[in-house]
Amino acid sequence: EAQVTQNPRYLITVTGKKLTVTCSQNMNHEYMSWYRQDPGLGLRQIYYSMNVEVTDKGDVPEGYKVSRKEKRNFPLILESPSPNQTSLYFCASSSLLKTGGADGYTFGSGTRLTVV
Amino acid sequence: RKEVEQDPGPFNVPEGATVAFNCTYSNSASQSFFWYRQDCRKEPKLLMSVYSSGNEDGRFTAQLNRASQYISLLIRDSKLSDSATYLCVVNWGSGNTGKLIFGQGTTLQVKP
Repeated sequence: EAQVTQNPRYLITVTGKKLTVTCSQNMNHEYMSWYRQDPGLGLRQIYYSMNVEVTDKGDVPEGYKVSRKEKRNFPLILESPSPNQTSLYFCASSSLLKTGGADGYTFGSGTRLTVV
Repeated sequence: RKEVEQDPGPFNVPEGATVAFNCTYSNSASQSFFWYRQDCRKEPKLLMSVYSSGNEDGRFTAQLNRASQYISLLIRDSKLSDSATYLCVVNWGSGNTGKLIFGQGTTLQVKP
């Protein structure tokens, strides 16, 4: 089954304790991205990757890191989490249309992160 | 002006009603447009892509107006199961940018 797998689904952590949220896709997609979703703010892009070893900042990259060493994996790293990073996180992947740009995404099921 | 703007609603409609949502976008170079559906705190799922000529999928019709920079979604014969948040999504710019901008979503509640 074609899917994007995120882990963990739920995470409660303390301020400053490094954590990694994993994301893996089995569709051989070039494009992967991380979003956070907060009430009243919608989905905001954190980082994205056009292909292996190619990553770029989205709209809200502060406090996050990513890597793309393999095509299928795109982990999100919070080196020193803070309470304002409490949010619902989604990983997504997509192929690239011939005409340019990403076509419809496939999203992971989300990670609900609470930083206390 | 917001990059992608939607009326958050909620739209409360009876079963069987026809309801329409509009979404405006600010980047005239945008090439690709989509409607996504999101059930409460679950992942967004692609409802339909929006093509220049407009497209229909069962009870759902999507249209694009490039001149006025808006897209629309029409739902006919609403079902209780259509209750969800509908996200307007615009590919930002031309070329291989791969960046999607999401509207905040429009909430639809279909009542019996």
